[in-house]
Amino acid sequence: NAGVTQTPKFQVLKTGQSMTLQCAQDMNHNSMYWYRQDPGMGLRLIYYSASEGTTDKGEVPNGYNVSRLNKREFSLRLESAAPSQTSVYFCASRISLSAEAFFGQGTRLTVV
Amino acid sequence: QKEVEQNSGPLSVPEGAIASLNCTYSDRGSQSFFWYRQYSGKSPELIMSIYSNGDKEDGRFTAQLNKASQYVSLLIRDSQPSDSATYLCAVNEGFQKLVFGTGTRLLVSP
Repeated sequence: NAGVTQTPKFQVLKTGQSMTLQCAQDMNHNSMYWYRQDPGMGLRLIYYSASEGTTDKGEVPNGYNVSRLNKREFSLRLESAAPSQTSVYFCASRISLSAEAFFGQGTRLTVV
Repeated sequence: QKEVEQNSGPLSVPEGAIASLNCTYSDRGSQSFFWYRQYSGKSPELIMSIYSNGDKEDGRFTAQLNKASQYVSLLIRDSQPSDSATYLCAVNEGFQKLVFGTGTRLLVSP
């Protein structure tokens, strides 16, 4: 049972490049989340998907797009990366909107 | 004002002492509350969840919730050096969003 899997684990991008962060869960969870974590800022919610077929903005959605491809997969896309998007990105999922969330191992992204 | 507030610390306690971590939240409608532990360079991992007013105990950990005061806390008894980590408070807001505080760094000295 892999839980929540994120790819890649590390990535370096040049300013203006695009990329997609992948997240997949095998726990049959309904809700999925993307967070970014910066020093001193805690976990900030970028986008979330309460259920398959729905997505909503979180606290810091600017510069990002998401796709809930199916129940298992929730991807985060940076269309034109900026140095301010240098961060550690975490994907999380949970079975219901009142349950605890489980996290992937994170993606460390550097934009130069 | 951030929706979930925590003191960033560090909170320093000697081994064997009780560590008390606090969290306040702004959404009066919140019903689900969580404490996570995060070691440096690792993902957050769940310690406890709490949904009702009062105390909930699990081993050395006790979560306390007071919805009237919009306050949730975590007590760690008999603190160990291995408890040194950042502790994140998370609150369900608007029924769908899971919002985190900035975390409190705990240092337990031998």
